[in-house]
Amino acid sequence: EIVLTQSPGIVSLSPGERATLSCRASQSVSSGYLGWYQQRPGQAPRLLIYGASIRATGIPDRFSGSESGTDFTLTISRLEPEDSAVYYCQQYGDSVYTFGQGTKLEIK
Amino acid sequence: QLQLQESGPGLVKPSETLSLTCTVSGGSINTRDHYWGWIRQPPGKGLEWIGTVYRSGSIDYNPSLRSPVTISVDTSKNQFSLNLSSVTAADTAVYYCARHVRVVSGSVWYRYLDYWGRGALVTVSS
Repeated sequence: EIVLTQSPGIVSLSPGERATLSCRASQSVSSGYLGWYQQRPGQAPRLLIYGASIRATGIPDRFSGSESGTDFTLTISRLEPEDSAVYYCQQYGDSVYTFGQGTKLEIK
Repeated sequence: QLQLQESGPGLVKPSETLSLTCTVSGGSINTRDHYWGWIRQPPGKGLEWIGTVYRSGSIDYNPSLRSPVTISVDTSKNQFSLNLSSVTAADTAVYYCARHVRVVSGSVWYRYLDYWGRGALVTVSS
């Protein structure tokens, strides 16, 4: 089973700054099978990025995804208070979906 | 706009069966590129995939789950269901149903979860 390790666990930034969230896979992941989700308190997860770098419908261009080998990155530019949430990466491989443990983004 | 809604008991006794239904509205459950599945989230913890049912009727399950799982689809009612048997307190969680997408663009296959229900809290306690 592929394990996804996210870092940092918690990050605290100010509005207008840029957040860089990391997701490292324990082995090779097809980029088409890597997604990022945002979960605000008390809400269901929301798809942000699929295919490692493709924004889902309605997601602002402040959100971007990239990959380098087994390392995947979610970048959020020009942070807004509403970006306060937990962010999860997710992959599919060998008939199994797995999620990272999440990164909590706090907006000061 | 597609909507998913979980329903079922909020309290289940240990060793009994947890049963949830997801009702899909605003679109058909019987579409080529879409599958249906369940994810759960224990209180204060992360997301755990439970399983996915495909159009063919085949099912993928999380091999790490301790409780036996079955997922089924009722296309006539536009619903799919989850049964988790012999539950323990460790199965206490918010259970989400979600639409799984599997599409190809060019030569690249994509898989992701694009629509989610709001979640249903199920507590396992006597």
